[in-house]
Amino acid sequence: DIVMTQSPDSLAVSLGERATINCKSSQSVLSSSNNKNYLAWYQQKPGQPPKLLIYWASTRQSGVPDRFSGSGSGTDFTLTISSLQAEDVAVYYCQHYFGTPLTFGGGTKVEIK
Amino acid sequence: EVHLVESGGGLVQPGGSLRLSCAASGFTFSSSDMHWVRQATGKGLEWVSAIGTAGDTFYPDSVRGRFTISRENAKNSLYLQMNSLRAGDTALYYCARGNILTCNYTACSFDIWGHGTMVTVSS
Repeated sequence: DIVMTQSPDSLAVSLGERATINCKSSQSVLSSSNNKNYLAWYQQKPGQPPKLLIYWASTRQSGVPDRFSGSGSGTDFTLTISSLQAEDVAVYYCQHYFGTPLTFGGGTKVEIK
Repeated sequence: EVHLVESGGGLVQPGGSLRLSCAASGFTFSSSDMHWVRQATGKGLEWVSAIGTAGDTFYPDSVRGRFTISRENAKNSLYLQMNSLRAGDTALYYCARGNILTCNYTACSFDIWGHGTMVTVSS
């Protein structure tokens, strides 16, 4: 099974500042057949289901603000919130879909400093 | 509008059974890979099962042999039959649609989620 490890567990960022979340997979999720990384990011606010933000490691889902961006390849990935807004307070998860079993990272809680 | 609505959760004793349902609307259900994902209170997300458009099914080791995912396209419905339940199965169970842009033999990201149904396994 592919193990997804996120860091940090939590971070506090001032409004308008950058937030950076890391995700590492125990094996590469980059496909040699299509050169795509099978990695997604989700945002989960309290009492709500997760919301898809990013897929293919860097493609924003429709309607997601452009302050959210994803980067990385192979085993190391990053979700960046370029200018943190109050509504971005949430837990963020990475997930691979390279094959089954699908697995998620443990989550990163983002708060306002 | 696209919706997924789960039902069927509740309190069940260890060793018992429960059947969850998920009603889909606003999209072509029969063309979508569908999944169940669970989340224990205050914990992270755990994928529980998947079913492809052709009815092929997939499970992690933690539930294989105890849980069965199924679908009824005529009713736009997804199901999860859970047997031999354990305390560790206690969680909020979400129904989720596989993002068709990413699905790889039913391994997908998830673009639509329901609000979940709570399963509590306790004596």
